[in-house]
Amino acid sequence: NAGVTQTPKFQVLKTGQSMTLQCAQDMNHNSMYWYRQDPGMGLRLIYYSASEGTTDKGEVPNGYNVSRLNKREFSLRLESAAPSQTSVYFCASSDRWAAYGYTFGSGTRLTVV
Amino acid sequence: AQRVTQPEKLLSVFKGAPVELKCNYSYSGSPELFWYVQYSRQRLQLLLRHISRESIKGFTADLNKGETSFHLKKPFAQEEDSAMYYCALFPGNTPLVFGKGTRLSVIA
Repeated sequence: NAGVTQTPKFQVLKTGQSMTLQCAQDMNHNSMYWYRQDPGMGLRLIYYSASEGTTDKGEVPNGYNVSRLNKREFSLRLESAAPSQTSVYFCASSDRWAAYGYTFGSGTRLTVV
Repeated sequence: AQRVTQPEKLLSVFKGAPVELKCNYSYSGSPELFWYVQYSRQRLQLLLRHISRESIKGFTADLNKGETSFHLKKPFAQEEDSAMYYCALFPGNTPLVFGKGTRLSVIA
């Protein structure tokens, strides 16, 4: 009963390095999302994928790219990490957009130095 | 534009006291609203949905369309209720819109 699985759980990057955050869900959900969580800012949507084969920008997409690899997997890539991207990143999935709410992963705590 | 406002960043209450976490929304249609809870360094979990009208862990929330509010209430706070609470709006065919969250601290 895994739900939404994110890897890695923790990561430290140097400015300018790149990395990919992985997310996989086993609930046969159509929609997947990437959020970042910062103190005082709440959850901000980075990118989302309404269905396999589609991706769209959210509120804060700059500096990120995504890939919906298949129905289960949705990855987030930082091409050239910046200290402003230090955050906790959450992946989520849902069926029928979000009518029944989201299921969240456990998060990736990323620090860019 | 759709918006969710949680006016309190931090709410401190004593154990056994009533709790009310405020949530106001801006949406022209019939809203679907949620409350999520995040315990320390854990994932966000769905607490309740207004369409199911259920009570989870003693929490309830009533949709007031006239006041465009969906406040979360509990009659007697417990220490284990200390967490971050997010109100969210489903506008239909777009992702959930989250408020900035309220941190609830229950003091023993």
